[in-house]
Amino acid sequence: AQTVTQSQPEMSVQEAETVTLSCTYDTSESDYYLFWYKQPPSRQMILVIRQEAYKQQNATENRFSVNFQKAAKSFSLKISDSQLGDAAMYFCAYRTYSGGGADGLTFGKGTHLIIQP
Amino acid sequence: DTGVSQDPRHKITKRGQNVTFRCDPISEHNRLYWYRQTLGQGPEFLTYFQNEAQLEKSRLLSDRFSAERPKGSFSTLEIQRTEQGDSAMYLCASSLGTGPGGTEAFFGQGTRLTVV
Repeated sequence: AQTVTQSQPEMSVQEAETVTLSCTYDTSESDYYLFWYKQPPSRQMILVIRQEAYKQQNATENRFSVNFQKAAKSFSLKISDSQLGDAAMYFCAYRTYSGGGADGLTFGKGTHLIIQP
Repeated sequence: DTGVSQDPRHKITKRGQNVTFRCDPISEHNRLYWYRQTLGQGPEFLTYFQNEAQLEKSRLLSDRFSAERPKGSFSTLEIQRTEQGDSAMYLCASSLGTGPGGTEAFFGQGTRLTVV
């Protein structure tokens, strides 16, 4: 079974600074997806960024980018120019590539990101 | 399209009672997922439907839990004889796809269950 580990329960960053959230995972599969989801307080979870394991290039979405190290099974999220609206729980998640079944996401325990004004 | 909708948003029930939650996915999405999230934890996968077929159930889904998705549209999650340990946020998500890949999963706001 796959596992996802987020070793930082909480991170704090000054507004406009850069912060990196860590995630490691364990799997025996070679093809899979990795995600970062954001869950603001009392609001629904939304996708921040997605990475296909077969792609060597790191995904980027505006101020959000990942550092995907497949051999090390590491998938960190970098948030540049942090904004107050970035404050939320961030979850790293894994999904198998097989499709059709065993399709659910496996989540880490999350990192609470605090933005200091 | 208003996204994934869940009803009710909050439910307080007495131990031993049955509860049922509803999820309306994004209309064209054929895949639907249920997750459970307890305080301070990430969501845990419960079950997955592709159209009306329930293709996978987690070991977390005890015999007291049942999920349906008649006609491949909305889904219901029923918990019978609720226990205090069932208190959690129940999240529904939907996505579109056949075979590997597919779109991202879109989540609803969840149903927060409190068993007293």
